[in-house]
Amino acid sequence: QSALTQPRSVSGSPGQSVTISCTGTSSDVGGYDYVSWYQQHPGKAPKLLIYDVTKRPSGVPDRFSGSKSGNTASLTISGLQAEDEADYYCCSYAGIYSLLFGSGTKVTAL
Amino acid sequence: VQLVESGGGVVQPGGSLRLSCAASGFTFTSYDIHWVRQAPGKGLEWAACVRFDGHNRYYADSVKGRLSISRDDSKNMVFLQMSRLRGDDTAVYYCAASPSGYRDFDFWGQGTLVAVSS
Repeated sequence: QSALTQPRSVSGSPGQSVTISCTGTSSDVGGYDYVSWYQQHPGKAPKLLIYDVTKRPSGVPDRFSGSKSGNTASLTISGLQAEDEADYYCCSYAGIYSLLFGSGTKVTAL
Repeated sequence: VQLVESGGGVVQPGGSLRLSCAASGFTFTSYDIHWVRQAPGKGLEWAACVRFDGHNRYYADSVKGRLSISRDDSKNMVFLQMSRLRGDDTAVYYCAASPSGYRDFDFWGQGTLVAVSS
């Protein structure tokens, strides 16, 4: 299976909103409400930001939000901050207990 | 909550290696444990999962038949036995925990590097 498709990079000024898309198929993103998002700073382990498409674990700032329409999921960062500069990955359940990650998006605060 | 991987290193193509993941700070037997890998400069790739009860194990097509995941609930540990290693297995290997019934990775270890090279 190929990785889910994410833009290679997105950028915004501090305080602006940025949205990262994650496009799959009806066999993964479109077929299940099991999309999660991860933030990874250089040299660090990934951190869970969003699970089950829209749910946010305790401790994750509410400027991070998730949504899904059809075969595309999205992560929105509202009010971009300098510490949000990182790589972001989506992940979707793809049936028969397999999980598929996105290609990754580098977020830059201008 | 802590997950600590060990066992990484340099191995020749065709060789074998065994990774370990030691868990603490949560109810280990209520969690599925996964291995997720990341090749240098590349994205994340899910590799394998052992369910909370140890009875069911799942693998990505890219590793099926070469990697084997297991768990020892008496020691709160998970293992990844790697054999017939290839150059494209070179990666940081993370263990990650998912509450049973969920499909996300709540906790991650710091990773251990496996380099397949002659």
